[in-house]
Amino acid sequence: EAQVTQNPRYLITVTGKKLTVTCSQNMNHEYMSWYRQDPGLGLRQIYYSMNVEVTDKGDVPEGYKVSRKEKRNFPLILESPSPNQTSLYFCATPRVPHYEQYFGPGTRLTVT
Amino acid sequence: GESVGLHLPTLSVQEGDNSIINCAYSNSASDYFIWYKQESGKGPQFIIDIRSNMDKRQGQRVTVLLNKTVKHLSLQIAATQPGDSAVYFCAEIGEYGNKLVFGAGTILRVKS
Repeated sequence: EAQVTQNPRYLITVTGKKLTVTCSQNMNHEYMSWYRQDPGLGLRQIYYSMNVEVTDKGDVPEGYKVSRKEKRNFPLILESPSPNQTSLYFCATPRVPHYEQYFGPGTRLTVT
Repeated sequence: GESVGLHLPTLSVQEGDNSIINCAYSNSASDYFIWYKQESGKGPQFIIDIRSNMDKRQGQRVTVLLNKTVKHLSLQIAATQPGDSAVYFCAEIGEYGNKLVFGAGTILRVKS
């Protein structure tokens, strides 16, 4: 079954404490993205990766890092989280860029 | 449930009626459009897509209409069911074809 998994699903943390949200896909897709979703706004792209070791900024990259050391995994790193990064985060991967995105279940992050 | 629906337009329909959800897009050069459904606590799920060389595309109980003259997209759901209650997003391929741009979404509520 085609799947995108994210961990953790829920996280409450404090300002400045580094955290990583993992994303993994089993579809052997080259392209992967991270989005954040905030009340009243559509999904906004944070970072994307077109292949292993190839990453680029999306629309709202400030405060985030990513890495793509292997095709299936695309972790999102918050080196020093701040309260404005409280959001719902989705990892996604399309069958063909940028079509028919498969989304993960989401990670609800709260930074206090 | 998730709070992504705050401040979004809401469409309330009676079970069995047809629903029409509208979306205005911004880029006249966009080539590809997608509708997503997002249920509470889940990631967006692909519903149907359409290319700019088409005016209409039908799926199972859903139809997407594209009016390029006024940059308008609509999703029609026939015989709406309680399971159709969700937030619906339209998305377009960005200006340079390198990303999806999402609309803010519309809440669909189905009354039994």
